Amino acid sequence: DAGVTQSPTHLIKTRGQHVTLRCSPISGHKSVSWYQQVLGQGPQFIFQYYEKEERGRGNFPDRFSARQFPNYSSELNVNALLLGDSALYLCASSLDGQSYEQYFGPGTRLTVT
Amino acid sequence: GQQLNQSPQSMFIQEGEDVSMNCTSSSIFNTWLWYKQDPGEGPVLLIALYKAGELTSNGRLTAQFGTTRKDSFLNISASIPSDVGIYFCAGPPDGRKLIFGQGTELSVKP
Repeated sequence: DAGVTQSPTHLIKTRGQHVTLRCSPISGHKSVSWYQQVLGQGPQFIFQYYEKEERGRGNFPDRFSARQFPNYSSELNVNALLLGDSALYLCASSLDGQSYEQYFGPGTRLTVT
Repeated sequence: GQQLNQSPQSMFIQEGEDVSMNCTSSSIFNTWLWYKQDPGEGPVLLIALYKAGELTSNGRLTAQFGTTRKDSFLNISASIPSDVGIYFCAGPPDGRKLIFGQGTELSVKP
């Protein structure tokens, strides 16, 4: 069975631009969470979605938004990119909105220049 | 905000040695998770703990949920080169989000 998939693998953007990152959860999983990981730190929670509804939001500015589609895949959008947005963006899927066990994808490496 | 503190920050050991690392929280957790991350990849779930005092094994890895519910421990027995990586503890302080420690970087010398 395929694990969590994310696209693209790598991305280079310029300050002020917009970016969309995509994630497909493990088959049968209905919840998707997004995390940002900067070099040398653990992942930081951005959003959780379950059944297309936002269930949780971390301490990130409104430039960050996300959505979940009927097939449970998800998009993370970041507007007005800043240099500090350069990071590994991780998507994690879990069985439902109650499960603590989250399974991560390989991530999207975003570089903002 | 809530933080998880992991120690040690890094370890450099000889192949075959046992490894111990721990994670502490300023508040009580009902769940502890341990992940391993290899360079350029996402974290991989190793062990999940749900009950204070619980001891759970996954091959050569053993993790314990501390009895105070504010700490957890991970042990690796007879380390091998593929154990190299960064080990993270994580827990859900509220809702379903996870917070992570800063990681313990393990290096194994053959």
